[in-house]
Amino acid sequence: EVQLVESGGGLVQPGQSLRLSCTASGFTFGDYAMSWVRQAPGKGLEWVGFIRTKAYGRTAEYAASVKGRFTVSRDDSIGLSYLQMNSLKNEDTALYYCTRALTEPGGGYYFGSWGQGTLVTVSS
Amino acid sequence: DIQMTQSPSTLSASVGDRVTISCRASQSISSWLAWYQQKPGKAPNLLIYKASSLESGVPSRFSGSGSGTDFTLTISSLQPDDSATYYCQQYSNYPLTFGGGTKVEIK
Repeated sequence: EVQLVESGGGLVQPGQSLRLSCTASGFTFGDYAMSWVRQAPGKGLEWVGFIRTKAYGRTAEYAASVKGRFTVSRDDSIGLSYLQMNSLKNEDTALYYCTRALTEPGGGYYFGSWGQGTLVTVSS
Repeated sequence: DIQMTQSPSTLSASVGDRVTISCRASQSISSWLAWYQQKPGKAPNLLIYKASSLESGVPSRFSGSGSGTDFTLTISSLQPDDSATYYCQQYSNYPLTFGGGTKVEIK
């Protein structure tokens, strides 16, 4: 069974940093792209970023709202994905979900499995 | 960026009703569309990918159709467990984008 468990959320002040972790199990971690999706309180879903597999150079893509501030990384040896968040803003307050991203030839990525999320609150 | 517009934003229907949710893309996305179901306090769950492919384990009363810019999620016979918010997501272009969601309520 695929399991994704996020950790690292909490309350931080604007301008500070936070690193989220996603612990994966139940599948061959290195074979899948990993992505982060967030949901502000009472709002819809917003894609944050993802990282491709080693076969695709572990390259990453980001939403414009976080590009230059957030970094997605992965450690295939221990089945972990990370979201490093710098220069946090009030509008980054959200529940952050780790997802296992799926794709097909010719298409981009969609989200096949989700963790339960970790809450990040940015407030002074 | 490709904008995804869902309609209606909320719908109320009775058990056994046929329910359709629309998702429109601001430009053609071929069939690169997924649908998710999210129940209150829970993570989203993948229902449909590539516009019409049913994810393993998802009840067959859910179906998807469409291509290009216009897509539909259909629940053939609404069940009490289907009370949730449904989101579409395009994966044709970056940034990946979601529709605003459709909340389905049971009368």
